[in-house]
Amino acid sequence: QVQLQESGPGPVKSSETLSLTCSVSGGTFGSDYWIWVRQAPGKGLEYIGHIYYTGSTHYSPSLQSRVTISVDTSKNQFSLTLTSVTPADTATYYCARAPTVTGYYYAMDVWGPGTTVSVSS
Amino acid sequence: QSALTQPASVSGSPGQSITISCTGTSNDFGSWHLVSWYQQHPGEGPKLIIYEGSKRPSGVSTRFSGSRSDNTASLTISGLQAEDEAHYYCCSYARRWLFGGGTQLTVL
Repeated sequence: QVQLQESGPGPVKSSETLSLTCSVSGGTFGSDYWIWVRQAPGKGLEYIGHIYYTGSTHYSPSLQSRVTISVDTSKNQFSLTLTSVTPADTATYYCARAPTVTGYYYAMDVWGPGTTVSVSS
Repeated sequence: QSALTQPASVSGSPGQSITISCTGTSNDFGSWHLVSWYQQHPGEGPKLIIYEGSKRPSGVSTRFSGSRSDNTASLTISGLQAEDEAHYYCCSYARRWLFGGGTQLTVL
C-alpha cells in the first residue's frame, strides 16, 4: 500500500526559497499523478501543482511563476520548490497521489500527513 | 481560475440528511466531470470520500453519496451522525485540480 511522507526544512524567512520532498513508499511512480496541496491556517485546500512520472508538470496559475515540481524516480521522491516566499505562504503542505489508469480515477486517494511551514518576515 | 463555490456552512440534526453543493463553470469541470469530495476533521489531513462524481472508495460509508447536474456537483450525507461533523471539500480535475472553498458541517 502506497504511503507518502513530506519532509522539509522547518521555518523559512521571507524572500527565501522553500523546498519540500515527498517520499513514496510501498509503490512506484508509474501511471499516477503526484500532487502538492497546501492549507493556510484556518483556510481551505489549495492545489499547488502536480507531476507525472515522465516529468510532465502543471501548476496553479496563481503560483506558477514561483513553483517548480520535480521527480526523482530512482529515490522514489518528488519535490516542491517555491521561491520568494512571504508570510502568505505559511501553511501545511501536503503531498498526494491521484491514479490515472486504475483505482480512484483522478482523485487524491493517498495523502501524506502534511508538514507545517512557517514563513517569518 | 477561482475556487469552486461551496456554501460556507451547513448543519443538520442526527438522523437527518444534508446536501452540499459545489458550483463552477464548464471549464472548471471539464468534459469528464471528474469530481471528488474530501472530508477533513480538525487537525487531520483530507480523506477521499467520493470520486468520479458519485463513486465511493472502499470503506467509505454508504451514507455518503455524490451526484451532478450540469455545472453543479453535490454531496449528500444521509442519517447524519456526530462523527460526520467536519469540513468537506469538492475538487474537480480538468488538466489540473481545483478545490472548492470548503463547507463546515455542524451536527446539531
